[in-house]
Amino acid sequence: QKEVEQDPGPLSVPEGAIVSLNCTYSNSAFQYFMWYRQYSRKGPELLMYTYSSGNKEDGRFTAQVDKSSKYISLFIRDSQPSDSATYLCAMTNNAGNMLTFGGGTRLMVKP
Amino acid sequence: DAEITQSPRHKITETGRQVTLACHQTWNHNNMFWYRQDLGHGLRLIHYSYGVQDTNKGEVSDGYSVSRSNTEDLPLTLESAASSQTSVYFCASSPQGRITDTQYFGPGTRLTVL
Repeated sequence: QKEVEQDPGPLSVPEGAIVSLNCTYSNSAFQYFMWYRQYSRKGPELLMYTYSSGNKEDGRFTAQVDKSSKYISLFIRDSQPSDSATYLCAMTNNAGNMLTFGGGTRLMVKP
Repeated sequence: DAEITQSPRHKITETGRQVTLACHQTWNHNNMFWYRQDLGHGLRLIHYSYGVQDTNKGEVSDGYSVSRSNTEDLPLTLESAASSQTSVYFCASSPQGRITDTQYFGPGTRLTVL
């Protein structure tokens, strides 16, 4: 059983749609939650992070954490073809700088 | 501009050979990491370093080694390459030990072991 589970997709949506990407995890010690975006044949880049439970918004992106359910989400509003990428969730505890990644969800936004 | 580079970008080798993948960053970051990325497994940590002469094992360190002789470089060595080590390898760096420090990733090295 992996510590962090993520549906691999692919998830195909029309341009302008609201996208919901999700991860579940089993380690209750995780406190920091990140979302990375990875374009094809590139390294991942950090989109945003949240601490503990709650919401965080950054432009068209909203991250949600529900620690009671061990469930995190990334919402993308008004999705664009340029959002087509693989989205990886990552998380860590308070102790150090090691991240545990989900397997990634491939998103395709069709014009 | 500061950056993180990896070389080679593509490598084909044979089982049993020693292979070294290079990682070089110009940000003067203390922390450096090596990950491998495989379909269905996401990114898994191989080794990491919090500074010169410091190295630590990650989740999947068997068959790999690193050394940190300066701030800029963290080469990854596969002592005796195996087909199971066919993967895409990413190097990353971050400034300090704060959890929220962004890890900046290199472009990756695609390694095939025949």
